[in-house]
Amino acid sequence: NAGVTQTPKFQVLKTGQSMTLQCAQDMNHEYMSWYRQDPGMGLRLIHYSVGAGITDQGEVPNGYNVSRSTTEDFPLRLLSAAPSQTSVYFCATSLFPDSAYGYTFGSGTRLTVV
Amino acid sequence: GDSVTQMEGPVTLSEEAFLTINCTYTATGYPSLFWYVQYPGEGLQLLLKATKADDKGSNKGFEATYRKETTSFHLEKGSVQVSDSAVYFCALREGNTGFQKLVFGTGTRLLVSP
Repeated sequence: NAGVTQTPKFQVLKTGQSMTLQCAQDMNHEYMSWYRQDPGMGLRLIHYSVGAGITDQGEVPNGYNVSRSTTEDFPLRLLSAAPSQTSVYFCATSLFPDSAYGYTFGSGTRLTVV
Repeated sequence: GDSVTQMEGPVTLSEEAFLTINCTYTATGYPSLFWYVQYPGEGLQLLLKATKADDKGSNKGFEATYRKETTSFHLEKGSVQVSDSAVYFCALREGNTGFQKLVFGTGTRLLVSP
């Protein structure tokens, strides 16, 4: 029972490079989100999805793209990485839209942009 | 918008000491409140929650009471262990319909020494 799997765990990019952070879940959760975690800032919502084919912006969407072609996968794309995107990225899923039931988080991807 | 304020860390305690981590919130109405814990190298895990005023959430010896008069949800534990060393996040649920997002505080690192 894998839960939420994020890959890679660590990544170093040069400014201007592109990459995709992967998030896969095997719990059949409809709702998936991407957060970034920065020192002194807590977790901030980047994008979220309420089901396959449906995505929306969160608090800090600029510089990131998402798509949701299947229930299981919710990749996060950086088209042209910037040092300001150095952060730890977490994917979270939930069975219900009501976050009172709790999210399941992946173990994170630590991204450094130089 | 809604926000959560946590005490800055790190909080450094000896084993078996009493723990309090302060959390206050600003929100419209009475949102559900949560504590999440992040152990080193892992994603966040739901520790406890309270969905209405005066509710007490509890789990693994941790407790927090939803105080609407002081807009607070302080985390307490009577006797901490080395294994409790982690980062603790207070959060609230934003919105009442559709996808209900979590708004996180900045996190408080707890270090427990033997």
